[in-house]
Amino acid sequence: SAVISQKPSRDICQRGTSLTIQCQVDSQVTMMFWYRQQPGQSLTLIATANQGSEATYESGFVIDKFPISRPNLTFSTLTVSNMSPEDSSIYLCSVEVQEGPSSGNTIYFGEGSWLTVV
Amino acid sequence: LAKTTQPISMDSYEGQEVNITCSHNNIATNDYITWYQQFPSQGPRFIIQGYKTKVTNEVASLFIPADRKSSTLSLPRVSLSDTAVYYCLVGDREGGYNKLIFGAGTRLAVHP
Repeated sequence: SAVISQKPSRDICQRGTSLTIQCQVDSQVTMMFWYRQQPGQSLTLIATANQGSEATYESGFVIDKFPISRPNLTFSTLTVSNMSPEDSSIYLCSVEVQEGPSSGNTIYFGEGSWLTVV
Repeated sequence: LAKTTQPISMDSYEGQEVNITCSHNNIATNDYITWYQQFPSQGPRFIIQGYKTKVTNEVASLFIPADRKSSTLSLPRVSLSDTAVYYCLVGDREGGYNKLIFGAGTRLAVHP
């Protein structure tokens, strides 16, 4: 398994500002993922962050709006830029852990960062 | 990309066994089936993962038939605290890693 810590856990942000969310994992992982969950909705994958390469963004998400850093195998950041009320969501970091040859890889999630844009 | 289909909602009572079935007709040979539980304002919590037949842990059992086109999550003797959204996922390994695309999930309500 993996223990994933996200900061901040909750924040209220002003419209037009940017906020960086940090994700720290207790073990080295190759793949990290960032999701968004809007109120009452399911999770939507924003991007995949592989250490040492540019993040891969899903349709509807762009690097200018959601720049991601992945400086090492235990840490990543997601920035939500030029925020609007529509960006009010929970942002979740997740990691892929190799459990073993007979168990497959498992993805674990952090507790999320709840952003409210006013 | 294997898509999953599961009931939108289910109701149960304390002490009962709950079975949530998920269909994934397009599951690929290398795909594992994973179930998560999510409470409001929290990140999804891993419950169980399997490839075929039956997997059991301290929380749940996962039944997967031979054709792997469906799976059933079994929660024994549910309590009020099991009220949550349950997601069935099949990994998309097209990029060489396990990318999870979430559906709507099943909202389980456990009543006294």
